[in-house]
Amino acid sequence: GQNIDQPTEMTATEGAIVQINCTYQTSGFNGLFWYQQHAGEAPTFLSYNVLDGLEEKGRFSSFLSRSKGYSYLLLKELQMKDSASYLCAVRDGLAGNNRKLIWGLGTSLAVNP
Amino acid sequence: KAGVTQTPRYLIKTRGQQVTLSCSPISGHRSVSWYQQTPGQGLQFLFEYFSETQRNKGNFPGRFSGRQFSNSRSEMNVSTLELGDSALYLCASSFQGFADTQYFGPGTRLTVL
Repeated sequence: GQNIDQPTEMTATEGAIVQINCTYQTSGFNGLFWYQQHAGEAPTFLSYNVLDGLEEKGRFSSFLSRSKGYSYLLLKELQMKDSASYLCAVRDGLAGNNRKLIWGLGTSLAVNP
Repeated sequence: KAGVTQTPRYLIKTRGQQVTLSCSPISGHRSVSWYQQTPGQGLQFLFEYFSETQRNKGNFPGRFSGRQFSNSRSEMNVSTLELGDSALYLCASSFQGFADTQYFGPGTRLTVL
């Protein structure tokens, strides 16, 4: 079947580093997205991985291991504004109309002072 | 470029009524997707429209329908509202399709009493 698992909640301290994990099971993996969603707001795109390895974007990095069905989002130098829900989404299927996005339930991150 | 816009932002309806939500995508985006988001179920894909045609559909009952106009603006209609339809309804646009990077609107918060 198709499934995405993320921790439901995490807490961290301002200035620290936090890693949010995402494991997935799909029949035809074709890319993984991370989105950030602040309470009451729309999700916004953070990163995209399709090949194994680490993609760095400022304070945020995303890692992918296709063989392990595993990704993580790494947030460095945490700020209070990073308190949000982080959604993992996996693109399943080859190009064309057979592709779909499977969404995780999200990880709610609380950054404390 | 202007972002995705959705109207109205908030709606309160009673059971049995119907509702129409509107979404204007980013200029140049031909794909518009609709999602329902609830705390327990996360983001659930409703359907995608591309160049005025419904191209993909999620597992929602026929009470949920949509359409897209020639200017790519889209509407979603829910008939015979039920209490369980209370949710945040998000519209997202994309250049290529619903399995690519999604740009979300602010959402419509629907409350069914």
